[in-house]
Amino acid sequence: AQKITQTQPGMFVQEKEAVTLDCTYDTSDPSYGLFWYKQPSSGEMIFLIYQGSYDQQNATEGRYSLNFQKARKSANLVISASQLGDSAMYFCAMRARDQGAQKLVFGQGTRLTINP
Amino acid sequence: NAGVTQTPKFQVLKTGQSMTLQCAQDMNHEYMSWYRQDPGMGLRLIHYSVGAGITDQGEVPNGYNVSRSTTEDFPLRLLSAAPSQTSVYFCASRPGTPTYEQYFGPGTRLTVT
Repeated sequence: AQKITQTQPGMFVQEKEAVTLDCTYDTSDPSYGLFWYKQPSSGEMIFLIYQGSYDQQNATEGRYSLNFQKARKSANLVISASQLGDSAMYFCAMRARDQGAQKLVFGQGTRLTINP
Repeated sequence: NAGVTQTPKFQVLKTGQSMTLQCAQDMNHEYMSWYRQDPGMGLRLIHYSVGAGITDQGEVPNGYNVSRSTTEDFPLRLLSAAPSQTSVYFCASRPGTPTYEQYFGPGTRLTVT
């Protein structure tokens, strides 16, 4: 079965600091992908970054980077130079084949608060 | 493009009532899914569709039905609402491989009393 674990229910960071949000995963599918989504208080799900299991390089999108360590089954999100607008819930998710179909499984999320 | 749209935004039901949550996308995406998000939790897959006429169950399908008669629409039906179905419901769509990014609708907040 596919599983995503986010062990940090909440994090508090000073503005302009870098922050790392942890994510570990488990799957038996050799071809999978990992996502990070941001959910602000308004409720919408915003796609941030994607890493495929066969990608050689760690994914980066602006201030977001994904620290992908395949052997450790971890896919941590790094936000550089945090801003007040980064305060939100962050979800790690994995797409993998389960019973023949590609499905997306989410972790429980980390609430990030950026302090001025 | 409007992207993924969901109606209604809010709904209150009494136990035992039925209703349909609407979802539509105008991006010609093959894949559509319904998720529910309970307080303090991530999203859980209810049902999904890989194309018109094809649907399958996700992680938490009990109490819900879906159909996919067109590429654009993927309604979710609650057959007999229960308080345990109080949740926020998200519809999502994505194109086929190799793009796996899902596009989410704004969500429907459902309360069952």
